Amino acid sequence: EPEVTQTPSHQVTQMGQEVILRCVPISNHLYFYWYRQILGQKVEFLVSFYNNEISEKSEIFDDQFSVERPDGSNFTLKIRSTKLEDSAMYFCAPRGRRQILNTEAFFGQGTRLTVV
Amino acid sequence: AQKVTQAQTEISVVEKEDVTLDCVYETRDTTYYLFWYKQPPSGELVFLIRRNSFDEQNEISGRYSWNFQKSTSSFNFTITASQVVDSAVYFCALSEKWQGGSEKLVFGKGTKLTVNP
Repeated sequence: EPEVTQTPSHQVTQMGQEVILRCVPISNHLYFYWYRQILGQKVEFLVSFYNNEISEKSEIFDDQFSVERPDGSNFTLKIRSTKLEDSAMYFCAPRGRRQILNTEAFFGQGTRLTVV
Repeated sequence: AQKVTQAQTEISVVEKEDVTLDCVYETRDTTYYLFWYKQPPSGELVFLIRRNSFDEQNEISGRYSWNFQKSTSSFNFTITASQVVDSAVYFCALSEKWQGGSEKLVFGKGTKLTVNP
């Protein structure tokens, strides 16, 4: 059984549109991360989220991005006005069910975002 | 700063050959974790192993083995008797906590392994 489910698996959107990517963890994780992988490149950290606030973000995570956990379960990444260069695979990775951090870092299956 | 280097961009072997994927890391922390992931053509990231900085024992899991050497800051991954299904991109990653950071993973650029029949 997967640790986390991401929806949608693939989304095509027009440039300038808003998209929301969702991550549904199976267990009560403490930390939540979003990573991005542009096609053929390495996986890059976007943002980490703990205790209902951002704990760290990368340079990629600019004002067009936001994260929230609106219902205590789903963890969302919103891109307000998509650009062509936002086309990538986006991975969610929850970690740490208890105060023990650095547990195995499982990734969701990813959402492939294509901006046209 | 954290850095992970996978110098081998692509490796091609014939089935049943052994292959070693190299990973060299940089960190200023004494407590850190190293990971390996497999990314098949379908795109998901499959967790293979996590190793903490205090455990230098080598690990073997079936045809997979890992050699962690702090002296050379390396965490190499060997596949014995490779199979076509091992064809994928393999990523090495490092996680550290430094000055209140979030223990995010920093990835290498990956090594694309092709196993030919």
